[in-house]
Amino acid sequence: IQLTQSPSSLSASVGDRVTITCRASQDINTYLAWYQHQPGQAPKLLIYYASALESGVPSRFSGSGSGTDFTLTISSLQPEDFATYYCQQLNDYPLSFGGGTKVEIK
Amino acid sequence: QLQLQEAGPGLVKPSETLSLICTVSGGSISSSNYYWGWIRQPPGKGLEWIGNIYFSGSTYYNPSLKGRVTISVDTSKRYFSLTLSSVTAADTALYYCAHDSGSVLRGLDVWGQGTAVTVSS
Repeated sequence: IQLTQSPSSLSASVGDRVTITCRASQDINTYLAWYQHQPGQAPKLLIYYASALESGVPSRFSGSGSGTDFTLTISSLQPEDFATYYCQQLNDYPLSFGGGTKVEIK
Repeated sequence: QLQLQEAGPGLVKPSETLSLICTVSGGSISSSNYYWGWIRQPPGKGLEWIGNIYFSGSTYYNPSLKGRVTISVDTSKRYFSLTLSSVTAADTALYYCAHDSGSVLRGLDVWGQGTAVTVSS
């Protein structure tokens, strides 16, 4: 299953609302996770089952979607949110990641 | 709190076998309904799923690795391992081990810090 993320990169300011999309090549129900990956650190799980917020993750992060189209939204971008974000499908093997979206400071 | 730590050689010669282990602390490696996995990130590229092993011992691998990969668990020694045979420069990457606590896959909620592997003669 191919996952296509868009955009591949974006520039935004602190306080901006940011939306990242992930499109699957076939129906994956809601078996989608979102991760944040900062340089030099391990990836961090943000969202699972498309819209469930992982424990300890700030509520400014939210996920939505089902089937083939999914969205990660950051309601008010904070300085610590500048990172690369990946989606991952868990509906079927082989598991797969999207290509990533790099969120940079404008 | 569950913690994972990867270990292995930083440098491997082409055509040789890469072996990595992931030591588990703060939790039981043999607990039911857990998945343990390996993921890698080549320099300048995105994340690539390598494979998973379920608590029952069932394994699932990325077919792009063409049968070169094996994941196993040693419950007595509290680690799980990755072996990748016939390595090439394309296998140079940062390798992560990770854990999914869902009885149904939900996402990798605990990760190791990663170990860098370079394939070069």
